[in-house]
Amino acid sequence: NAGVTQTPKFQVLKTGQSMTLQCAQDMNHEYMSWYRQDPGMGLRLIHYSVGAGITDQGEVPNGYNVSRSTTEDFPLRLLSAAPSQTSVYFCASSYSGVGYTEAFFGQGTRLTVV
Amino acid sequence: ILNVEQSPQSLHVQEGDSTNFTCSFPSSNFYALHWYRWETAKSPEALFVMTLNGDEKKKGRISATLNTKEGYSYLYIKGSQPEDSATYLCAFRSVGNNNDMRFGAGTRLTVKP
Repeated sequence: NAGVTQTPKFQVLKTGQSMTLQCAQDMNHEYMSWYRQDPGMGLRLIHYSVGAGITDQGEVPNGYNVSRSTTEDFPLRLLSAAPSQTSVYFCASSYSGVGYTEAFFGQGTRLTVV
Repeated sequence: ILNVEQSPQSLHVQEGDSTNFTCSFPSSNFYALHWYRWETAKSPEALFVMTLNGDEKKKGRISATLNTKEGYSYLYIKGSQPEDSATYLCAFRSVGNNNDMRFGAGTRLTVKP
């Protein structure tokens, strides 16, 4: 079982560049989300989706866009990369709305913005 | 502000020691609490999903308790092994909080052989 697959695993961007982090899950989960992990802090929610065609903002959405055209895919787009977006990004999915069911995480994307 | 606090930040124990960590969260409007185990270079994996006050969950040598009235959860590891070395994360969701799980910064456990 592939579970949650994130690509790329590592990326270096120049300030101002844009890019898309890919996330795909093969568990038919309705709920998907993106988090960022910074040193000394917990995972912080960027955006989430409760199903295809539905997205919403989390705690730290500025500078990021998402879309959910299929149940399987939930890409995260950085519009104009800034050094403050240097972080490790995790995509997660769960069977239903977050809370009563566990989240399954991808292996993370380590992004450096120079 | 939904602060989730975990203590200690890091812990070093000898193989065979038993240990425990704390996760503190707001005691009002509780919805669910999760514990995850996160090994270096891997993705976090769920240990427990806890939803009721007084819940006790167990998986092998690892167990957890939940007190929603006072806003804390304990994670216990009995007879720690080197393979238990990881960061343990807790995550909290309150009622009506727009699907937002708030994560603590984690407790980093190192078990020395």
